Amino acid sequence: QKEVEQNSGPLSVPEGAIASLNCTYSDRVSQSFFWYRQYSGKSPELIMSIYSNGDKEDGRFTAQLNKASQYVSLLIRDSQPSDSATYLCAVIPYGGSQGNLIFGKGTKLSVKP
Amino acid sequence: SAVISQKPSRDICQRGTSLTIQCQVDSQVTMMFWYRQQPGQSLTLIATANQGSEATYESGFVIDKFPISRPNLTFSTLTVSNMSPEDSSIYLCSAGKMNTEAFFGQGTRLTVV
Repeated sequence: QKEVEQNSGPLSVPEGAIASLNCTYSDRVSQSFFWYRQYSGKSPELIMSIYSNGDKEDGRFTAQLNKASQYVSLLIRDSQPSDSATYLCAVIPYGGSQGNLIFGKGTKLSVKP
Repeated sequence: SAVISQKPSRDICQRGTSLTIQCQVDSQVTMMFWYRQQPGQSLTLIATANQGSEATYESGFVIDKFPISRPNLTFSTLTVSNMSPEDSSIYLCSAGKMNTEAFFGQGTRLTVV
C-alpha cells in the first residue's frame, strides 16, 4: 500500500516566523511531489511542485526533496495569518500519470498575529 | 492553468437516490480525475475519466456505484448512485495536461439524509 504521511498538527507559528511542514512517502520510485493548500471549505490549490532532489523556491515558499530519505518538506518564510490552512502533500506513484495523486492527510497550519 | 467548473456546488439528497456531478474545463486537457474527500479526511482518488471509454477505477470504487462519463476532452460527469449517508463527502474534479500539474474544481459538497 503506497502511503504519504504527514503530521496532522495543528502547527502553530507566530506571524513572521518560518513554518516547516514535513512529509514522507513509502513508494521509493515516486518521481513527482506536490504541495497543495486547502482553506476550510475550499478545494485544494497547488502551491508547489518538485521533481528533483534539492530545493525549489517560489516567493516565500521553498520545497525540499530528498529521494534517498523519501522525504519532502515545505518551508513558508515570513508566515502570514492568511497562510493559515491545511497543507496537503501529494505524490504521483510510479507508473501514475499527472493528477493521479496519493495525498497525505494534511497538516493544519495556524499563523498567529 | 485550466479553469475547472463543477456543478452543483452543493446538494442535499435523499438516501436511495442518485446525483450526477458535472465537470467542465475551459481548455482541452489530457487527464481528468474524480476524487472524494470525506469529512475531516484527505483526498482519495475514485477514478480516472477516460475520453470515449470506461473510466479506470481505484481499489474500493466500482462503476455501478460511481458511473463516470467523459464524452470529450473538456467535460466529465460523476454519478453517485443509490446514495447512503456514508456517501456524504466533497467530490472534486481534477484536470491537467500531460506532464503538467493538475488542478481542482471547487468541489461538490454532498449531504445524504
